[in-house]
Amino acid sequence: AQSVTQLDSHVSVSEGTPVLLRCNYSSSYSPSLFWYVQHPNKGLQLLLKYTSAATLVKGINGFEAEFKKSETSFHLTKPSAHMSDAAEYFCVVIKTGGGNKLTFGTGTQLKVEL
Amino acid sequence: DVKVTQSSRYLVKRTGEKVFLECVQDMDHENMFWYRQDPGLGLRLIYFSYDVKMKEKGDIPEGYSVSREKKERFSLILESASTNQTSMYLCASKGNVDYYGYTFGSGTRLTVV
Repeated sequence: AQSVTQLDSHVSVSEGTPVLLRCNYSSSYSPSLFWYVQHPNKGLQLLLKYTSAATLVKGINGFEAEFKKSETSFHLTKPSAHMSDAAEYFCVVIKTGGGNKLTFGTGTQLKVEL
Repeated sequence: DVKVTQSSRYLVKRTGEKVFLECVQDMDHENMFWYRQDPGLGLRLIYFSYDVKMKEKGDIPEGYSVSREKKERFSLILESASTNQTSMYLCASKGNVDYYGYTFGSGTRLTVV
């Protein structure tokens, strides 16, 4: 069965410093992975997706993620945090089978301080 | 753009009431999903439907049922609401053509008192 684990429930960074949000996956074969973001009182927005093409995936708002099979990881990074990045981030895997359902991690709350 | 509309943004219901949460999508998507979102738990799948009148249980179906009489509409039903069903409920849809094309509604925050 496919699953994801987000290693940090809260991450705090200063504005202008790098962001690293960690996600490990479990899958018996090459998974399809996503990162979603949810700003306060807003809906879910897709940041980026990995679909077994390039291992380094670029998303919106300067975020990127690297698929590392040897480490079973799909960490989300951004070189320089902005105040507007403060939000909750979800690592997600497609659970293949009927309906191709999304399985979510438990979320990482990103706080950006001045 | 695909639009997924959830009829209520906020709902307050009493324990024991029958509650209907409605979700409508406008892009002829075959698949529709209901999730609940709780702090520290992420989103968990309650039920999904891959066609009209077809439904399958997700990871946490207990206390819920669903109805899909028309392709565009997917209803989540709480037969007898309880306080532990206080949560944010999110609906999503996806067509069969775009494997990765999930679209989420903005959510319904349900409080059961």
